[in-house]
Parts: sequence; structure tokens; C-alpha cells
Amino acid sequence: DTEVTQTPKHLVMGMTNKKSLKCEQHMGHRAMYWYKQKAKKPPELMFVYSYEKLSINESVPSRFSPECPNSSLLNLHLHALQPEDSALYLCASSQSTPGTLANTNVLTFGAGSRLTVL
Amino acid sequence: KNEVEQSPQNLTAQEGEFITINCSYSVGISALHWLQQHPGGGIVSLFMLSSGKKKHGRLIATINIQEKHSSLHITASHPRDSAVYICAVGAGTASKLTFGTGTRLQVTL
Repeated sequence: DTEVTQTPKHLVMGMTNKKSLKCEQHMGHRAMYWYKQKAKKPPELMFVYSYEKLSINESVPSRFSPECPNSSLLNLHLHALQPEDSALYLCASSQSTPGTLANTNVLTFGAGSRLTVL
Repeated sequence: KNEVEQSPQNLTAQEGEFITINCSYSVGISALHWLQQHPGGGIVSLFMLSSGKKKHGRLIATINIQEKHSSLHITASHPRDSAVYICAVGAGTASKLTFGTGTRLQVTL
């Protein structure tokens, strides 16, 4: 299995809803990432987990709450979002962990979850 | 000024044409990635380079570390190559890639 699987593919939610995005990989990768991508813009890093521990939080608002229950799963819990949070949320994983040489750190991306906040 | 600049921003080609997309960066790096993103879709990693040249099928990527420049070439282009091609560089902490703004390629019949 060489894929990163994200669910759901599409999500529409109101500003008072609580929802979650899920990401799964079975490649034995020890680093997992959440990126946010707005239309026609490059991805922006949100969070990095290394060995199931949060290692990087790029000053993301607390209405986004990541969780890594085990080495294969990464969740992003969403609560009280704003319309400007509407975007494509991409999960990625890599064999190497943060702090190692970048040239060993090929990212495998999921297909993304497209979020619309009404 | 962005640390990673790509050119052109948009490119239209006819099927069969040879295509070149350029990436220049201003920081010291340990690796450069070329990524492909189809409309509305996820991202596929095409190449990771730290020196020289790599080839995969009709795709060729080169990097010149001294000149801080990389190129992605597509030979015998096909409409299915239509996508956004993104250059990203890794420096320092491996997890923090700096992305270019992408080159939108449209290949027509």
C-alpha cells in the first residue's frame, strides 16, 4: 500500500458544527502532515506529527485541533470554523522525521478533503 | 520576493511539444521537489533532487546547485499532462518545504 487516504473527500459545515477530517497511511511512515491550500495558491503547512507527537504547529488557530491516535492515523478536528477556512486540506506522510536531511524526505500526499464552511 | 520563483506562471502547449518549467530559489537547500497537482486533486511527488538529473518516463528534472536553479522537462507532451507543477525546496528542518506558486500547464490536442 503506497497511498495516503483522506476522508471525507468533500465536507460542508456550518460555523457552529463540529466535524473531523481523517487521514490514513500504511507505509510505515513516521511523519505525518496537515496542509491547507486555498484556490490557486501553494499549500501552507499547518501541523507536523513525528512518531505520533506534535512537533510543529504553524500558529494555527485553536479551532483546528490535530490528533494522531497511532502511527497510521491522523485526524483534524474542526470546531467553530469561519467561512475563510474553506479550502482543500491535504494530508501527507514521509518516511523521515523532521530534523533529518530533507533529501530523504519524499512526501506522499493524499487526494485532499475539500471543506466548505457556510 | 518569494524564496522560490517559478516560470512561466501559465503555459499552453500543443500535444507533442517539448515543455520546460523553471524554478529558481534564493536560499541554500538540501533538496528540491517537483510536484504535480491535477485540478481539484491531491498532489503527486514527481522528483526529489539534490544534484544532477533524474528521469522518469517522459519527465526529466535537472538541478544546478551553484546557480540555484532547477528545470522540469516534459517530452512529447500529452493532454493528460495538463496540471499545476509545483517546485518546493527543503532546507534546514526537513518538514518545512517552501513552495513556489506553481506553473499551470494546459496541453491541447
